Amino acid sequence: EPEVTQTPSHQVTQMGQEVILRCVPISNHLYFYWYRQILGQKVEFLVSFYNNEISEKSEIFDDQFSVERPDGSNFTLKIRSTKLEDSAMYFCASSEGPSGGTDTQYFGPGTRLTVL
Amino acid sequence: QKEVEQNSGPLSVPEGAIASLNCTYSDRVSQSFFWYRQYSGKSPELIMSIYSNGDKEDGRFTAQLNKASQYVSLLIRDSQPSDSATYLCAVNVYTGGFKTIFGAGTRLFVKA
Repeated sequence: EPEVTQTPSHQVTQMGQEVILRCVPISNHLYFYWYRQILGQKVEFLVSFYNNEISEKSEIFDDQFSVERPDGSNFTLKIRSTKLEDSAMYFCASSEGPSGGTDTQYFGPGTRLTVL
Repeated sequence: QKEVEQNSGPLSVPEGAIASLNCTYSDRVSQSFFWYRQYSGKSPELIMSIYSNGDKEDGRFTAQLNKASQYVSLLIRDSQPSDSATYLCAVNVYTGGFKTIFGAGTRLFVKA
């Protein structure tokens, strides 16, 4: 069964460093998403992406964040200058159609980011 | 601010019992509602989606939606210890584009 994959599973970085989290969505999916979950808290929407553009973003997704689909398979989340409060699990998801409709989002296993 | 509210629990039920999980949401125009299961340290896994008022059944799971009351619930029949997890209610909201808002989740413990 096709699945969303994410690398690395765990990333440790120093405050102020840039990190890139990578995702490979399901191959025929057109809509891609990033979420984060701080330990013990709710899953929070960061951004949705379609046709090489951001469709929607939350107030969390400020100028330190960016997303890119650098090739036909990868979808990346870059955090330019990490802060301690960026420590969280980051989930990538993908869907065939837009999330506003009835299309199911399939989640990857997540990348745990630890900022020291 | 679009909100999704859930009782954090924990909800404890004996094996074989019915577990009832509830969720309310604030956005009146929301059309798509989802229940996810999340085991500790794992990603959310979709259990049910529901879009119309009424009940939707899938195996041991029944989702119920009442848009007038802005309420969605999940019933788990014949609960098993393997159902012990956090159950997340999620709602698609429109804010110029669509995004999915999750509740904080209800922790369910099924005692053997």
